[in-house]
Amino acid sequence: QSVLTQPPSVSGAPGQRVTISCTGSSSNIGAGYDVHWYQKLPGTAPKLLIYGNINRPSGVPDRFSGSKSGTSASLAISGLQAEDEADYSCQSYDSSLSGWVFGGGTKLTVL
Amino acid sequence: QVQLRESGPGLVKPSQTLSLTCTVSGGSISSGGYYWSWIRQPAGKGLEWIGRIYTSGSTNYNPSLKSRVTISVDTSKNQFSLKLSSVTAADTAVYYCARGTSSSNSWFRFDPWGQGTLVTVSS
Repeated sequence: QSVLTQPPSVSGAPGQRVTISCTGSSSNIGAGYDVHWYQKLPGTAPKLLIYGNINRPSGVPDRFSGSKSGTSASLAISGLQAEDEADYSCQSYDSSLSGWVFGGGTKLTVL
Repeated sequence: QVQLRESGPGLVKPSQTLSLTCTVSGGSISSGGYYWSWIRQPAGKGLEWIGRIYTSGSTNYNPSLKSRVTISVDTSKNQFSLKLSSVTAADTAVYYCARGTSSSNSWFRFDPWGQGTLVTVSS
């Protein structure tokens, strides 16, 4: 069981907007630690998608956006495309565990 | 750009030591003040941070694995390595190496990653 909780799966039609939640606690996200998001496409290495809650690395389309509030964070993907079908994971720091923790991952299906 | 690639045995017997190496290309492992990390993902489960090493040799480990983990760096080969002792079936996972960015715990993230290598623990 992962420290950060994500829905196992989400889906949406091409062009739609979907959000993926990442829920933590007072020792990680709620303590003010930043949240980072990764995208894992089939057969490829995980890729940093969002860092510091809201920032996109160079080359990541602005269709991807992040937010954080309280003990949760969210990844939003607008204008869904077939190529967005992937696994998405959130990451933060946990002061109780003295280490970096991840969510269980969410599989996005583009219908 | 920097690329990472994991290598090592895909099958390890229970109670033995799992050994993996990550080769860094496209840049020096000694430059830039980065932390070099190992992460794993059992099938159907989430990612788990294993540990990290700074180019000075300083290490940090996941407390849940600390007693069994050793991470080392070989700057002459531009590689860093993972050893996990006394493995059981629960250590079966895809193991990733990654570069960690930032000295701040909060701002620390992993970029880039290797493609990962599946290690199965079985007799």
